[in-house]
Order: sequence, then C-alpha cells, then structure tokens
Amino acid sequence: EKVMTQSPATLSVSPGERATLSCRASQSVNNNLAWYQQKPGQAPRLLIHAASTRASGIPARFSGSGSGTEFTLTISSLQSEDFAVYYCQQYNNWPLTFGQGTKVEI
Amino acid sequence: QVHLQESGPGLVKPSETLSLTCIVSGYSISSGYFWGWIRQPPGKGLEWIGTISHSGDTYYIPSLKSRVTISLDTSKNQFSLKLNSVTAADTAVYYCAREQDISVAGTSFDYWGQGTLATVSS
Repeated sequence: EKVMTQSPATLSVSPGERATLSCRASQSVNNNLAWYQQKPGQAPRLLIHAASTRASGIPARFSGSGSGTEFTLTISSLQSEDFAVYYCQQYNNWPLTFGQGTKVEI
Repeated sequence: QVHLQESGPGLVKPSETLSLTCIVSGYSISSGYFWGWIRQPPGKGLEWIGTISHSGDTYYIPSLKSRVTISLDTSKNQFSLKLNSVTAADTAVYYCAREQDISVAGTSFDYWGQGTLATVSS
C-alpha cells in the first residue's frame, strides 16, 4: 500500500498570500496524483489530477507539480473561499490512498 | 450534470450490516465509468473503500475486503455498499463518487455525493 504523507498539517496564511502544500508518496506513483479541497460539511472537490492538470472549472490560481514521490499544490493568491482542508490521493496502484490532509487557515 | 445521492439508515447496531445506496442521475451507470465508496470518520481523513465498474467488476481495500460488498442495480441506476459485522470504528460519513476515467479503473473522483453519516451504536 502506498502511504501518502502531507505537510504541513496546518498552514496559516493571510488572504492574498501564496500557499504551498506538499504531498510525499512512500513509493513512486508516477504522475497519478490528485488534489482535493474539502470545506466543513461538504464533500471533497477535485482540483487537480494527473499531478498538474486542473479539473473543470478550477481557477488558475491553483496549480500542481511534481512526479514520482514528491508533489506540490500551490495556491498563488489565497482568496477567502480557499480556506479549507486539502487532500492528495494516489491512483497509481490499488488500493487508492489519500494523505491525511493539510488545513489552510487564516 | 451528474448527480449522486447517498441514502441509508443513520444508525446501525454493532455486529449488524451497514447498507447504503447511491442513486445516480444525469448519467446511466451501465454506460461506463467506475463508481466508488469513500468514508471519513468524524474529524479524520478520507479512506477509499471500494469501486465497481459499469459491468460489475469490483475492487476493494484489503483491510475491509472480507466485510464489504459493492453491487450495481442498473434498472434503478444506483449502486450499493454493504459492510457487515460493523463496530464503532466504522462510524463515518460515507460518500459515493464517480471515478474520472470512463474506461480505466482506479483514478481520481470527479463527482461526489453529499455524504451520509452512519453511526454504529447500540
């Protein structure tokens, strides 16, 4: 099973600042990695798939990079609606696994 | 627009079977794609439980494989989750979701239901 480790657990930033979230895989997942955003009481929303491809309707301030075992989600200029928990997910191998999440807070 | 909606009892007794259904609208599940269940214990992260193909092939997380069954009902355009011998550790919000790739199993999830809380308690 591929273990996904996200850091930091909590990221404190101000609106307008840049946020950088990390996700590390225990073994290579190639570029088979997705990022999700989850707000309280809501289902996760797909932001990025294939490590760097934005999902439909996702603003350009969200970008993903990396391959193999190291991945990054960058939010270029945080908006108030971006404060949430972010999860990475690998789909290179069964079972599909998620990271434990990074909470982006003010 | 694809829409998924979970339904099922909110309270299940220990050792009994948790049964949930996901009703899909806006797409015929027999036409393609892969359909999954993911759960989230209160205050914790996401755990993939299993996926079923439009033709009924199933994929399960090993840690739950002995207790889980995912099935399709194409006549009602829905798919279901059964988890037997539940304990308090199975208390979670359960989400149904569609995998993004129409022909390859095991990808990211692009459409999600709103989730339903299932509590295991006597």
